[in-house]
Amino acid sequence: AQSVTQPDARVTVSEGASLQLRCKYSYSGTPYLFWYVQYQRQGLQLLLKYYSGDPVVQGVNGFEAEFSKSDSSFHLRKASVHWSDSAVYFCAASIYNVLYFGSGTKLTVEP
Amino acid sequence: NSKVIQTPRYLVKGQGQKAKMRCIPEKGHPVVFWYQQNKNNEFKFLINFQNQEVLQQIDMTEKRFSAECPSNSPCSLEIQSSEAGDSALYLCASSRSGTGGEQYFGPGTRLTVL
Repeated sequence: AQSVTQPDARVTVSEGASLQLRCKYSYSGTPYLFWYVQYQRQGLQLLLKYYSGDPVVQGVNGFEAEFSKSDSSFHLRKASVHWSDSAVYFCAASIYNVLYFGSGTKLTVEP
Repeated sequence: NSKVIQTPRYLVKGQGQKAKMRCIPEKGHPVVFWYQQNKNNEFKFLINFQNQEVLQQIDMTEKRFSAECPSNSPCSLEIQSSEAGDSALYLCASSRSGTGGEQYFGPGTRLTVL
């Protein structure tokens, strides 16, 4: 069965530090992959997407993600985090047009 | 930023009561999705539409849940007889494509069933 796993429930980093949030998917093919961010239990905002081609994709606000077929992963990165990046981040895979979400990683950026 | 509109933002119902929420998709997005997000951040796909037609739905949606996307009116999701376990954030999303493209989410309707 298809699934998305985010192994880190909580991540804390200092402002200005680099960031990596991990995501792995389980699916026999290569799904479309997405990262969303959710502030204060509001709606989800799309950060970036991967369909095919260059495994490194750029998103909004300096975020990027790298797809690895061999590792079935789609990790999110940012070179320098800001306090406003504190939120919950969800990785998602689109399979037969339905989004399957990971359980989320709560990011806290300390001053 | 997404232009999906969801109303109401908050909904409080007693057990057994009907709960109805609405969604206006982004202009030009013919595909509409409903998801349920519980307090443990578990998401459940409920149903999706392309224009007015149901594309996919899960079993739960076929029983106490009903949904529609009439022409020239907001889409709606209704729970006929609310249960405590229905308390969740209900998210509406819209998409240009019914083939796996990105989905844009509204702010959600937070349902509390007392």
